[in-house]
Amino acid sequence: QSALAQPASVSGSPGQSITISCTGSSSDIGAYNYVSWYVQYAGKAPNLLIYEINKRPSGVSSRFSGSKSGNTASLTISGLQAEDEADYYCCSYSSGNTEKVFGGGTRLTVL
Amino acid sequence: EVQLAESGGSVVRPGGSLRLSCVASGFRFDDYAMAWVRQVPGKRLEWVSDVNWNGGSTGYADSVKGRFTISRDNAKSVLYLQMNNLRAEDTARYFCARVIGGSELPNYEYWGQGTLVSVSS
Repeated sequence: QSALAQPASVSGSPGQSITISCTGSSSDIGAYNYVSWYVQYAGKAPNLLIYEINKRPSGVSSRFSGSKSGNTASLTISGLQAEDEADYYCCSYSSGNTEKVFGGGTRLTVL
Repeated sequence: EVQLAESGGSVVRPGGSLRLSCVASGFRFDDYAMAWVRQVPGKRLEWVSDVNWNGGSTGYADSVKGRFTISRDNAKSVLYLQMNNLRAEDTARYFCARVIGGSELPNYEYWGQGTLVSVSS
C-alpha cells in the first residue's frame, strides 16, 4: 500500500496562511470521509489536529482547518505562528489491504 | 487525564518475538478502539494494527499480517501487540493510540510516548 503523497516541505511567514496537500486515490481519500491530520514535534508523539476531514478535537485551535476535494485532502493553517514549525502527517481509511495509510509527512518551516 | 504507557520494546534478533504492552488510564478503556502505529526515526508514521472496543474486530497492515497479533484486556485496561518472526524492517518506535469512539477509524486522539523495537543480528 503506497503512502499518501504530501509535499516534503512548506514554509510561510508569521501571520500568513499555508496549505498542506495530501493526495491519495479513489481507494482511500476519494472514497471515504475519514481523513485525519497530525502534528509532530521533534522527539514527541503525534497530536491529532483534524479528523473526519474537517472536525477539530476539543482544545485544537480554530487556526487549523481541513477540507477535501476528490482524491486530495488539505490542511490549512491560518495566522502562522513560530510554534507551528513541526512535521505534519495526513492519514486516511483505505479499501486496500492495509486499511489505514499515512502520508509521507510535511516539514513546515516558519520563516 | 488520559495516559497511555507503552513498554516491552527491546533489541531482538531476526526471527525473534516480542510482546508490547500499553497500559491505559484516565478513561474508561472499554469505550474505545485502540491502535498501534509505528515510526522509524526520521521517517513517516505507519499504521500497524487496531482493535475495536471489545476485541471482536481487528485489522492489520499487510506488512505485519500473519506475524503480529493485537489483543486487549479490558479488565486490566491494557492493549497488547504480540510480534512474531520479527524482521529488520520492523525496527521502529511503536506508539499505542486511542481512537475517537469504539470503532477502528483513523482518528487517533491520544498517543503514548512509544517504545523502541530494534531487530538486529
